[in-house]
Amino acid sequence: DTAVSQTPKYLVTQMGNDKSIKCEQNLGHDTMYWYKQDSKKFLKIMFSYNNKELIINETVPNRFSPKSPDKAHLNLHINSLELGDSAVYFCASSHEGDTQYFGPGTRLTVL
Amino acid sequence: KQEVTQIPAALSVPEGENLVLNCSFTDSAIYNLQWFRQDPGKGLTSLLLIQSSQREQTSGRLNASLDKSSGRSTLYIAASQPGDSATYLCAVTGTASKLTFGTGTRLQVTL
Repeated sequence: DTAVSQTPKYLVTQMGNDKSIKCEQNLGHDTMYWYKQDSKKFLKIMFSYNNKELIINETVPNRFSPKSPDKAHLNLHINSLELGDSAVYFCASSHEGDTQYFGPGTRLTVL
Repeated sequence: KQEVTQIPAALSVPEGENLVLNCSFTDSAIYNLQWFRQDPGKGLTSLLLIQSSQREQTSGRLNASLDKSSGRSTLYIAASQPGDSATYLCAVTGTASKLTFGTGTRLQVTL
């Protein structure tokens, strides 16, 4: 029933590890996004995919690599995790420029 | 580069009061403007979307206005309730469906 879902909800890991966050939407949308919300609660876009093609790639380190196996999924893989990567990561989807629907977020803590 | 600012950063009002949240943006070349609500530890919920050609949108006790030429939007909440307590985020959509978020207004409605 959930429109945009993310797994896991919480992720605690050591510096230097590699981790992935998964996102799925069942709304039939053609565009999916990843956002990062830092400790000051500021939300900033990281990536956007339209029909499995990357259309927005903000100034994000190469350690972050999004992967879209199909229109309903957009996963985020992070290599060599650093302390500064600790944040809440939100996935969202929309039909082109219409209302974006957000997932519940994944709280990543890097120790 | 688009910048979105929200004033005030925090607001506390007694139940039943009407209130106005403000949002301003620097680049008027937007496709639409959205107001979101975020509860602590939760994702974002879209409240209202105003297309660039529209002046306002209403949903229940919420009314959002848009003055694109001056780069301003307001969210009016009528007869506030404790359940309205949350952080309210304004976001504008630019090219490639890119959402730029404001800094948020943390609202507390007291009994």
